[in-house]
Amino acid sequence: GAVVSQHPSWVICKSGTSVKIECRSLDFQATTMFWYRQFPKQSLMLMATSNEGSKATYEQGVEKDKFLINHASLTLSTLTVTSAHPEDSSFYICSASRTSGGTGETQYFGPGTRLLVL
Amino acid sequence: AQTVTQSQPEMSVQEAETVTLSCTYDTSESNYYLFWYKQPPSRQMILVIRQEAYKQQNATENRFSVNFQKAAKSFSLKISDSQLGDTAMYFCAFSDNAGNMLTFGGGTRLMVKP
Repeated sequence: GAVVSQHPSWVICKSGTSVKIECRSLDFQATTMFWYRQFPKQSLMLMATSNEGSKATYEQGVEKDKFLINHASLTLSTLTVTSAHPEDSSFYICSASRTSGGTGETQYFGPGTRLLVL
Repeated sequence: AQTVTQSQPEMSVQEAETVTLSCTYDTSESNYYLFWYKQPPSRQMILVIRQEAYKQQNATENRFSVNFQKAAKSFSLKISDSQLGDTAMYFCAFSDNAGNMLTFGGGTRLMVKP
């Protein structure tokens, strides 16, 4: 149990276009989902926390108008990179926790999406 | 703000031997949660082990165990009988009692040699 999927696994797009990445919890309900960015050989950097039915909470330095997050259901969150530029090229990972209100819940991670902006 | 430090950027170990990865953290909280995640070349993050700070007993999962020293704010991971499949990046992570947000350390790249 506790499987999280991401789609697409990789995407190449032209500069100026928008890209949507989906994150789904397949066998559990996830009130809270998280979006991370990871540069090569570096750790995960939290971009935002997404709660179902409410606005996402963005970390300092992350442009909310650039990285649009929608968490419309208990099993789906989406990250849209708007007007992508080469510097947005990175590995994006989502994770999901089983419940809200609890603390220390384990985060289960998706397999990640590799984005390359030309 | 909490910080997590992994002082060993890279380590190697011979197959079947034991290796210990170190992790220290800084927090003013008394109750919190600590995790070790593994990221193999596939880049899929996999939970290795979880420790609740209010539990004194060290968590174990098969060949993986931790040495949790709360006073020293240390949370090391011991891998026994290392296998080639253990080759991966290992991240130590902290979660406080206010929610589920994780703070990650910089990672340790472990290479298991045949």
